[in-house]
Amino acid sequence: DTAVSQTPKYLVTQMGNDKSIKCEQNLGHDTMYWYKQDSKKFLKIMFSYNNKELIINETVPNRFSPKSPDKAHLNLHINSLELGDSAVYFCASSHGGEKLFFGSGTQLSVL
Amino acid sequence: GEDVEQSLFLSVREGDSSVINCTYTDSSSTYLYWYKQEPGAGLQLLTYIFSNMDMKQDQRLTVLLNKKDKHLSLRIADTQTGDSAIYFCAESMGGGGADGLTFGKGTHLIIQP
Repeated sequence: DTAVSQTPKYLVTQMGNDKSIKCEQNLGHDTMYWYKQDSKKFLKIMFSYNNKELIINETVPNRFSPKSPDKAHLNLHINSLELGDSAVYFCASSHGGEKLFFGSGTQLSVL
Repeated sequence: GEDVEQSLFLSVREGDSSVINCTYTDSSSTYLYWYKQEPGAGLQLLTYIFSNMDMKQDQRLTVLLNKKDKHLSLRIADTQTGDSAIYFCAESMGGGGADGLTFGKGTHLIIQP
């Protein structure tokens, strides 16, 4: 069984659309994250969330919003998609903020 | 400047040892990490070292940590074509918690036959 799974693997959409990426972890971890990897392979944290706090990277536009229906899921909603949002988005989870385990990524292409 | 720095490229011959270096800034990191990313794949936790250790060996991998200089290295012995990937150094911010990991820009390991 995949420990951290995210769907879809590929997402191609038009500018201005709203889309969501889903993430689920079956590791029993208490913290989940979203990272963005750009075309140069640089990784930046976007959000981290546990049942106590949501930490938002201040550089993330408010068009991006995480939604956590329960501690095993952290979905990423993106409104009014822009060309610059094209990237690979990785979900991850951890227990206590150490040893993050990553999903296989969602490649988002905005046309 | 960047919190975690590493060279972008390293080219080695098959069978030689690869040494990937990294410098970090947060002295409160509990662990320091090496992740591997193969083409088109996610990040795989390769190895990690507890901050009060100076060396960890795991089969072909050796991690060295110099806390004084905030320098971390990953040595891969007998480098194989399957080791071709991007290797990311990472530190935990604030010693853990919900802040996650900060990653270097990744070192592309290129294997020459």
